[in-house]
Amino acid sequence: QQQVKQSPQSLIVQKGGISIINCAYENTAFDYFPWYQQFPGKGPALLIAIRPDVSEKKEGRFTISFNKSAKQFSLHIMDSQPGDSATYFCAASKSYQLTFGKGTKLSVIP
Amino acid sequence: DTGVSQNPRHKITKRGQNVTFRCDPISEHNRLYWYRQTLGQGPEFLTYFQNEAQLEKSRLLSDRFSAERPKGSFSTLEIQRTEQGDSAMYLCASSLGGSGQETQYFGPGTRLLVL
Repeated sequence: QQQVKQSPQSLIVQKGGISIINCAYENTAFDYFPWYQQFPGKGPALLIAIRPDVSEKKEGRFTISFNKSAKQFSLHIMDSQPGDSATYFCAASKSYQLTFGKGTKLSVIP
Repeated sequence: DTGVSQNPRHKITKRGQNVTFRCDPISEHNRLYWYRQTLGQGPEFLTYFQNEAQLEKSRLLSDRFSAERPKGSFSTLEIQRTEQGDSAMYLCASSLGGSGQETQYFGPGTRLLVL
């Protein structure tokens, strides 16, 4: 049973473009929604996170949009750069346990 | 910057052997987590410690797996009688707090290959 569904599986964006990754969850008890970035050979690193009482959160070029009624949230990366090429995971948490999506491999081409 | 460290970074073993991994969390972090990540998948929760107490174990953690966190500092994850299906990246994370919404900081992982 996959509690957090993430799409697309892979994404190719031109430098300067907008990258959009979508996630949907099932468990309404989730109360914390972080996004992690993972480079090859490294552990995931927190990028940005949101709580369900907020509809949008922006940090630099990264924005989370959250739709509680639809049980969906998305990550937007503005002005995408080659250095953003990595795998991105959405996650949802209840208490301490993170449930991750399957990941999106983002490639930003010059 | 002393982040979460894990040793070894890579481990190759033969089926049936026992292996042990070590995780050193960020100093003062009271919570420590183990996750498993297979190729093309997101990390999956295995177990969680608050200080030295193991408070939750996933059903993914079979009887062959055991984790400890003596004195609430470093943690070890042991896999007995390894199977090829155990091949994965084992990730450790730590956090400070008790709300459940604090940031979990991940280590670089230990990649296990069971031949």
